[in-house]
Amino acid sequence: DTAVSQTPKYLVTQMGNDKSIKCEQNLGHDTMYWYKQDSKKFLKIMFSYNNKELIINETVPNRFSPKSPDKAHLNLHINSLELGDSAVYFCASSQVGFRGRETQYFGPGTRLLVL
Amino acid sequence: SQKIEQNSEALNIQEGKTATLTCNYTNYSPAYLQWYRQDPGRGPVFLLLIRENEKEKRKERLKVTFDTTLKQSLFHITASQPADSATYLCALATDTGRRALTFGSGTRLQVQP
Repeated sequence: DTAVSQTPKYLVTQMGNDKSIKCEQNLGHDTMYWYKQDSKKFLKIMFSYNNKELIINETVPNRFSPKSPDKAHLNLHINSLELGDSAVYFCASSQVGFRGRETQYFGPGTRLLVL
Repeated sequence: SQKIEQNSEALNIQEGKTATLTCNYTNYSPAYLQWYRQDPGRGPVFLLLIRENEKEKRKERLKVTFDTTLKQSLFHITASQPADSATYLCALATDTGRRALTFGSGTRLQVQP
């Protein structure tokens, strides 16, 4: 059983296009995240939702818009894609608990390449 | 500014030896420190968590130390195996504020048979 799944796994698109990445977790967790991993392998938090409520919104261009239809899903929509958006995007989830103690479960990643 | 530093150069060791990876941080007061393993093309997988008041944590062949004075964590893999080859990431969380981890860039470990 896949705990955290993402689709698509690969996404190749042209600059200026709009695309979405979907994430689903079947762990019953309350909190979900989007991270971006750049070419230097740094994993940076972008957004976090707790029970469908946005709780973290890092300095991310407003072309990126997360949407959580329910606590098991967190999708990421990106408008007007730019070359610099090329990266691997990871979805993750964790159970509510004392901050920092929750371990995070990551999806397999979506490799986005903007041409 | 806040920084988490891991040795960006790959660590190459012989099978059976102990691998030691370092995570240094500045301008943080983490309550917890976590270590993750990431294989190529995959998402990170949680390995160990250590609290600020714990000096050492063990799990099978893994050992983590946390020195809040030195602002450093060491991650050890004893009796290393080629299957341990991966990138290892440390991640910090503070006691207050946002519910998210801040990750280092990871150290790639290569265990030679």
